[in-house]
This record gives sequence, C-alpha cells and structure tokens, in this order.
Amino acid sequence: KAGVTQTPRYLIKTRGQQVTLSCSPISGHRSVSWYQQTPGQGLQFLFEYFSETQRNKGNFPGRFSGRQFSNSRSEMNVSTLELGDSALYLCASSLWSQETQYFGPGTRLLVL
Amino acid sequence: SQKIEQNSEALNIQEGKTATLTCNYTNYSPAYLQWYRQDPGRGPVFLLLIRENEKEKRKERLKVTFDTTLKQSLFHITASQPADSATYLCALVLYSGGGADGLTFGKGTHLIIQP
Repeated sequence: KAGVTQTPRYLIKTRGQQVTLSCSPISGHRSVSWYQQTPGQGLQFLFEYFSETQRNKGNFPGRFSGRQFSNSRSEMNVSTLELGDSALYLCASSLWSQETQYFGPGTRLLVL
Repeated sequence: SQKIEQNSEALNIQEGKTATLTCNYTNYSPAYLQWYRQDPGRGPVFLLLIRENEKEKRKERLKVTFDTTLKQSLFHITASQPADSATYLCALVLYSGGGADGLTFGKGTHLIIQP
C-alpha cells in the first residue's frame, strides 16, 4: 500500500497570506489527523477528521481549519499567516479514530 | 494541567548497550500508550502500542513497560546500534468527560548510539 502523501513538501509564504496543505491517507484509512511540529513546542495536535466530520480539535486559534472529503483526503488551511506559524505540518492517517497513526513526510512551511 | 514528560536532553549510549527511555504523564487516564521513532526531516514512525492492562510488550530488540500506578512507561532498546539513533516520542490518547481527545505526544528524547 502506498503511504500517506502530503503536498506540497515545502512552502514559503509571507505574513498575512493564507495557505492550504493537502494530505492523502493510506487507502482504506478513514481517520486523518493534523499536527504542527516546532523545535520549541514539539508535536502538537491540531485536529482529527473521521468520515468527513471533525472529531477532535487541539488548542489552536480559529485561523487553523481543515476538512475531509468523501475519499478521505484532507486539507488544512491557515489564514492570516503569522511568523510563528513556521513549522513542519504533519498529517497522519489511521483505520479508526485514535488508533496507530501513520504519518506522512510533512509540509515544511516558512512564513517570512 | 495534564502533560507528558520525556527527558528532553539527548541520551548518549555506547553501541551494544541497552538504551532506556522514560515517559511520565500526569493526570491522565490513558487506555493505551504508543511509542514512535522520528528521524530528522521525516514524520514519526509507529513502533509499539501497550494497553493499560498490559505490563510489558516486546518486538524484536524493543521492549515497552507500562506502569499505570507510577504513571510511567519505559522504552528499552537492547543491543543498541548506531542506526537506532533518532528521536523517540511517546503518545497518549486522552479520555475526558466528552470522550476521546486528540493523541498527545511528548516532546521526545533524542537518542545517540555511539560506535
């Protein structure tokens, strides 16, 4: 089976812009979770989608949003980018909610 | 507040020895705990899952213990090799009154196996 794929792999944006990241889960996986990873804060949970519904949400501002499509692919959007949003954004899929997570390679976002 | 603690300092171990990493948590009532490995620039890779009713789990050179009384998990790598050098993350699923919350990760321990 193909693993979790994320696009793009690298992205440079400026403050105030918005960005959309994409994630394709492992075939058959219905749960997709998003995480932000920074050197200072480590891996932090953003939100989880299961069967197109947001099941859980981490402690992030409303500028961070996401959605899941009927084919389980997911997108994450960050509006009004801030310098502190520079991070590695990781997507992970699992068969069911909260099960073993299979991570993608991540999208490295740099906000200038 | 609820949190997960891992030794944030790098752990240096000589090749061939057993590496032991610690994961402590507070105020959680986890149903299970997971361990992941992360190499630089890559996403974490799942290693082992241990449930609250299991004391110990093994997979090849890896062993995980789970002590819900001490609120601690230990992760052991026996006969360590330089290729085991990586950051190791523990993760818990939180269950609050509203049901399952997100998977929460510790900040990880950077393990260095020296030849």
